[in-house]
Amino acid sequence: AQSVSQHNHHVILSEAASLELGCNYSYGGTVNLFWYVQYPGQHLQLLLKYFSGDPLVKGIKGFEAEFIKSKFSFNLRKPSVQWSDTAEYFCAVNAPGGGADGLTFGKGTHLIIQP
Amino acid sequence: GAGVSQSPSNKVTEKGKDVELRCDPISGHTALYWYRQSLGQGLEFLIYFQGNSAPDKSGLPSDRFSAERTGGSVSTLTIQRTQQEDSAVYLCASSLMAGGSYEQYFGPGTRLTVT
Repeated sequence: AQSVSQHNHHVILSEAASLELGCNYSYGGTVNLFWYVQYPGQHLQLLLKYFSGDPLVKGIKGFEAEFIKSKFSFNLRKPSVQWSDTAEYFCAVNAPGGGADGLTFGKGTHLIIQP
Repeated sequence: GAGVSQSPSNKVTEKGKDVELRCDPISGHTALYWYRQSLGQGLEFLIYFQGNSAPDKSGLPSDRFSAERTGGSVSTLTIQRTQQEDSAVYLCASSLMAGGSYEQYFGPGTRLTVT
């Protein structure tokens, strides 16, 4: 079974700072990787996803993530954060053809951006 | 177009009572997923449907939990003899197809409180 580890549970940054949120997964086979975001009072929504190809993927709102297979990592980055990026961020993994098809989520990172 | 809808948005019930939670997926989406979000456990995958069938029920927390989907559309998650540890936000998601490579769109959730 796969598992996902997010190293930072709470992150506080000032506006314009750079962001990197760590995500490591545990699964020996091919995986699909996702970052979801949950803004206060809103639904979970997809930020970006990696299925195959270029390991550097770009998502919405200036976010990007890099898949490093050798490190089983899929870290989320943004060069300059804004106050509106305050939210909960979840890394998730899915093993295609693995049977369950549900996403396995990390515990989440609560990001607070101070103006 | 309309997103995933869930009802009720909030449900308070007494310990020992049965509850039924409803999910209406995006029209045309054949795959439907149930998750549970709680403080202690984070986001947990419970069960998914491809059409009306649920290939794997092993993610359901106990035999008090059941889910069904009829007509390939609406799904209900039923919890019998509720316990306080069932208190959580129950999220539903749908995707065009199952198989891991399709984006899952999440609903707003049902917040269940067992007193």
